Amino acid sequence: QVQLVQSGAEVKKPGASVKVSCKASGYTFTSYGISWVRQAPGQGLEWMGWISAYNGNTNYAQKLQGRVTMTTDTSTSTAYMELRSLRSDDTAVYYCARAKLDDYESYYFDYWGQGTLVTVSS
Amino acid sequence: SYELTQPPSVSVSPGQTARITCSGDALPKQYAYWYQQKPGQAPVLVIYKDSERPSGIPERFSGSSSGTTVTLTISGVQAEDEADYYCQSADSSGTPVFGGGTKLTVL
Repeated sequence: QVQLVQSGAEVKKPGASVKVSCKASGYTFTSYGISWVRQAPGQGLEWMGWISAYNGNTNYAQKLQGRVTMTTDTSTSTAYMELRSLRSDDTAVYYCARAKLDDYESYYFDYWGQGTLVTVSS
Repeated sequence: SYELTQPPSVSVSPGQTARITCSGDALPKQYAYWYQQKPGQAPVLVIYKDSERPSGIPERFSGSSSGTTVTLTISGVQAEDEADYYCQSADSSGTPVFGGGTKLTVL
């Protein structure tokens, strides 16, 4: 069965960086992309970006350009999301999700990780 | 930026039908997807490509589309269906966008 298992909770100071991992199993890792979606406390879902596990191509949300980097390690079927220059409003649960392309070349998300809470506080 | 609009809350009694709408100008040209999220849990895909149901999702969940509005319908609502529901689609460039979410309360 498809599983995405994420790394544990993190507490960071403003200005620091965080790197969250997402280990995939139960499917051919390089056949799908991975997206990252975050959810601030009590708020809705926000798409952060996408990475192809096949060739490493990325597509980031405009508001995060320059602060976020997504990578994959195909040898371990693991995706990573690094967010730099953290601010208090980056406090959120960060989810990885397997991304599928539909007929309009747009993404949707059929399996999700359990989420990783990142708290940014001085 | 592109927005998908959902009602903040919907309330129904057990056994009744719940309808949750999602409106967006690009919906006639993009598919819509629906996710269920229970407290403290990750979202779960319940409807894809406007009206398709993933395996394992109960038949009481259905989706439909009409113009700039898509609708998630839950027939014969059960207490376990109480959750937040998010629609998702894409803007004209294919960038994923989520609606603000609808809290479904089962009275």
